[in-house]
Amino acid sequence: QTVVTQEPSFSVSPGGTVTLTCGLSSGSVSTSYYPSWYQQTPGQAPRTLIYSTNTRSSGVPDRFSGSILGNKAALIITGAQADDESDYYCVLYMGSGIWVFGGGTKLTVL
Amino acid sequence: QLQLQESGPGLVKPSETLSLTCTVSGGSISSNTYYWGWIRQPPGKGLEWIGSIFYSGSTYYNPSLKSRVTISVDTSKNQFSLRLSSVTAADTAVYYCARLGSASYSFRNWGRGTLVTVSS
Repeated sequence: QTVVTQEPSFSVSPGGTVTLTCGLSSGSVSTSYYPSWYQQTPGQAPRTLIYSTNTRSSGVPDRFSGSILGNKAALIITGAQADDESDYYCVLYMGSGIWVFGGGTKLTVL
Repeated sequence: QLQLQESGPGLVKPSETLSLTCTVSGGSISSNTYYWGWIRQPPGKGLEWIGSIFYSGSTYYNPSLKSRVTISVDTSKNQFSLRLSSVTAADTAVYYCARLGSASYSFRNWGRGTLVTVSS
């Protein structure tokens, strides 16, 4: 069973830049996995931030960006704000109609 | 504006079948541009993809749940449904329905979620 890996937690200072990553327990992430990113605050449904590696969903500020860095997908947040403090999930499409979520990263802004 | 709304019992007994429906408004479930899916989140834990369906009826399931899951679509009602059999306490979770882009392979729109508790 393929595992999608994310940092369990991360912290960033207000105004700073943070890079969250999404990897595979075996192999490298490429655009062929259509990596997507979701933000979730407690008690709320997830919000789609990025899809197809680097396309921002409607209404998402341009300080959120996505890319492939090395062998992982990455979500980069520049100019972090207090309300960016959330859980962030990546999803990879494995092909054949199978999607796998990463375990999520809890981002603290302090 | 597309909206998805989950509905169904909030409490299910162990060994019974969990049944939820997602009603889609503001868009047609019969579009060949999208899949429709279910995701769940146990209390305090991460998100887990359960399965997806295309409007034609083609289904795709999480291998770890495949033996217990059935997803179906009712185009006349613009709804799709989830059935999860032989539930245990481990199936207690918030269940979300979502629309997935068939070109982007991503979860584009989400319902608000509904908490289902498995308990006697």
